[in-house]
Amino acid sequence: SAVISQKPSRDICQRGTSLTIQCQVDSQVTMMFWYRQQPGQSLTLIATANQGSEATYESGFVIDKFPISRPNLTFSTLTVSNMSPEDSSIYLCSVDVRDRDKFGPGELFFGEGSRLTVL
Amino acid sequence: QKEVEQDPGPLSVPEGAIVSLNCTYSNSAFQYFMWYRQYSRKGPELLMYTYSSGNKEDGRFTAQVDKSSKYISLFIRDSHPSDSATYLCAMTYANTGNQFYFGTGTSLTVIP
Repeated sequence: SAVISQKPSRDICQRGTSLTIQCQVDSQVTMMFWYRQQPGQSLTLIATANQGSEATYESGFVIDKFPISRPNLTFSTLTVSNMSPEDSSIYLCSVDVRDRDKFGPGELFFGEGSRLTVL
Repeated sequence: QKEVEQDPGPLSVPEGAIVSLNCTYSNSAFQYFMWYRQYSRKGPELLMYTYSSGNKEDGRFTAQVDKSSKYISLFIRDSHPSDSATYLCAMTYANTGNQFYFGTGTSLTVIP
């Protein structure tokens, strides 16, 4: 299993500003994932953060808007840049704890999320 | 067309009722089918998963997959107020890393 701490838990921001969300995991993991959860929409993967290399972004998400850092195996940050009201959402950090000796899809563990409101 | 469709609800049932939650999907290549539960202001947590077609039971929870109809279900027997949460279905391919496809989630309230 994995315990994930995220901060801030919530914030209210002004249009045009940027906010950095931090994610700390209690164990070393190769990949960390950043998801967005908007009301009425599916949990959507923004990017995969690998330690020592650039993040891999999903279609519709770009590095200039969502820069990610991954300085070590237990920590990552996601920045939401030049925010607009459309960026209001819950942002979730996640890791996949996969037992290589066990057949299965792996299990995603999530932080409690960062609820962002952009005015 | 979305990869995974899920009725967002909300669904409200009396305590002790049987709850049925459902998802449909479009990609026949999905092999693993998962249900995540998300309490208010918390992150999702894995409830159970099923591989390919068939049923899987875990206590009061039963997951069912019908690949021919591209339809999955989660049944909750003897529902408790503590089951009140949002339930998200998710699915993925076999052996292709970490891409999970989630439904929008169904909000469930079990009334005492």
